Amino acid sequence: AQKITQTQPGMFVQEKEAVTLDCTYDTSDQSYGLFWYKQPSSGEMIFLIYQGSYDEQNATEGRYSLNFQKARKSANLVISASQLGDSAMYFCAMRGRYSGGSNYKLTFGKGTLLTVNP
Amino acid sequence: EAQVTQNPRYLITVTGKKLTVTCSQNMNHEYMSWYRQDPGLGLRQIYYSMNVEVTDKGDVPEGYKVSRKEKRNFPLILESPSPNQTSLYFCASSLRPVSVYEQYFGPGTRLTVT
Repeated sequence: AQKITQTQPGMFVQEKEAVTLDCTYDTSDQSYGLFWYKQPSSGEMIFLIYQGSYDEQNATEGRYSLNFQKARKSANLVISASQLGDSAMYFCAMRGRYSGGSNYKLTFGKGTLLTVNP
Repeated sequence: EAQVTQNPRYLITVTGKKLTVTCSQNMNHEYMSWYRQDPGLGLRQIYYSMNVEVTDKGDVPEGYKVSRKEKRNFPLILESPSPNQTSLYFCASSLRPVSVYEQYFGPGTRLTVT
């Protein structure tokens, strides 16, 4: 079974500073994908960044980067130069082959609520 | 504009009154899925569909039905809603089911069952 663990229920960061949101995962699949989504207070799910299990380089998208450490099964999200608009819930998710079937579902962590202080 | 739409966005209903939440995507995606989000639990998959007429259960299918008669539509049906189905529901789709393809999410439907 797949599992995503986000150990930080809440995080605070000062505006313009960098912040790391932790994510560890567990899977027996060899091929999988790791995603981060942002959910602002308005409720929509916004895709931020993707890392494939066979990608050798860490993914980056603007101010977002994914610190992928395969041996440690971690996929931390780093947000550089935090902005007030970054305040939101952040979900780490993994997608692979569902055990015993063919369902490539997303398995989500419980989320980290990030607050950016001015 | 490529998007996943859901209707209604907000719904308050009573126990036992059948309801349908519609989901439609305009990206010709094969894979569609329903999730529910509850505080402290993250998102959990209810049902998914690999393509037209191919649907299967996710992690929490009890009390829900789905159908996939057309590629673009994937409605979620609650035949007899109960208060424990009060939740935020998301429809999602992706071009293919494999891991590399991003899932696009709809805006969410906030359902309250009294």
